[in-house]
This record gives sequence, structure tokens and C-alpha cells, in this order.
Amino acid sequence: EVQLVESGGDLVQPGGSLRLSCAASGFTVSRKYMSWVRQAPGKGLEWVSVIYSGGDTYYADSVKGRFTISRDNSKNTMYLQMNSLRAEDTAVYYCAGEDWNDRGFDYWGQGTLVTVSS
Amino acid sequence: SYVLTQPPSVSVAPGKTARITCGGNTIGDKVVHWYQQKPGQAPILVIYYDNDRPSGIPERFSGSNSKNTATLTISRVEAGDEADYYCQVWDNPSGHYVFGTGTKVTVL
Repeated sequence: EVQLVESGGDLVQPGGSLRLSCAASGFTVSRKYMSWVRQAPGKGLEWVSVIYSGGDTYYADSVKGRFTISRDNSKNTMYLQMNSLRAEDTAVYYCAGEDWNDRGFDYWGQGTLVTVSS
Repeated sequence: SYVLTQPPSVSVAPGKTARITCGGNTIGDKVVHWYQQKPGQAPILVIYYDNDRPSGIPERFSGSNSKNTATLTISRVEAGDEADYYCQVWDNPSGHYVFGTGTKVTVL
């Protein structure tokens, strides 16, 4: 059974940093196209970042230069390092996976809440 | 950046047909995926590649995509179909993924 489990969400002050983790079971993260998708309270879905199976990475303009996506193949885990956090980064962060590029996100975690507030 | 526009809400009586549109510039040239999200839950994929259904998704869910509008159609609507629905595309030039603004489907 495929399962994605996010962790690392927390309350952090503006300007602070946080690292989210997405641990996978039932498939190999390095063979999938893995993304982070966020949802602000009461708002819609917003794509944040993707790491391709080949290692290429892309970022939404709203987070480029502040967030870094990575993975640890030995731990079958994907990460999102978030720096210079702003109030508008407050959201539930989901990890999501595709079997290949533009196949649609078949796999979703349950989400982890990040709150940026003083 | 590429923008996908959906109606904020759609209301439908049980047993009737709900149609949710997703507008985007020449979206017909792209592949569209659709997600269902119920309150407090993660989204689930209900349509991929414009009109394919993942295993476990009822045949009542179907999709189409042409020119500047993609459409998700839910036939014989049931109370359990009440949820938010999002369209999504991959924007090739930028490598970015784009979600639509979302539509809340209410079953009357």
C-alpha cells in the first residue's frame, strides 16, 4: 500500500525557518515526480515545488529563492526547507506524487500545518 | 503565469448532472487533471488525461477538454459528491504546475 506521511509543521515566527519531511512507503520516491502543494486556511490549492525523478527542481514564483526541495533516497523521504518565512506561507502543506510528469497527482499525504505568526 | 478559472460554486439536485468548467488560454492544448477534496481531507485524483478515471472512481465522473475550456461532468449526482473540485495542468514552458481556483459543489 502506498503511503505518504508529512511531518515538521509547526508555529514559527516571521523570518524563521522550518524543514518539512515526506516519508514514503509502498513506492520509491526517487522514481516518481514528487511535489509540495499547499493550502492556506479556507483557500484553494497552490503548487509549491517539484523534484523530478532525474533530480531537476522547479519552484513557484512565490517561494523561489526561499524554499528548497530535496530528497534522501536512502531514507525514501522528500524534504522542503523553508527559509525567510512570511505570514502568507501559513498553510497546510501536502506532499503529492506522480508516476511520471503530467500524469496527475495520484498520491497524497495527509498534510502538515505550518503557521507563521509572531 | 498560466491561470485557470473555475466558477466558485455549483449547486445540483440529487440524481441530476453537475458540470464544472475550467477556463484557460488554449487549455485544449494541455492535459487536464481533476481532484475532489472533502473538508479536512487531502485531495484525490478523479480524472486524469482529460477523461481517464483512476481505479475506484465511479463511471459517473467524466471529463472533456477543448479550445479554452475543460469540463468535469458528474452524472447522477449523489450526496457523497459534495466537495470542492480543482482542475490542474502542467505548464510546459515554465515547468510549473497550476491549479484552478476551485469549485464548491453543493448537493441540494
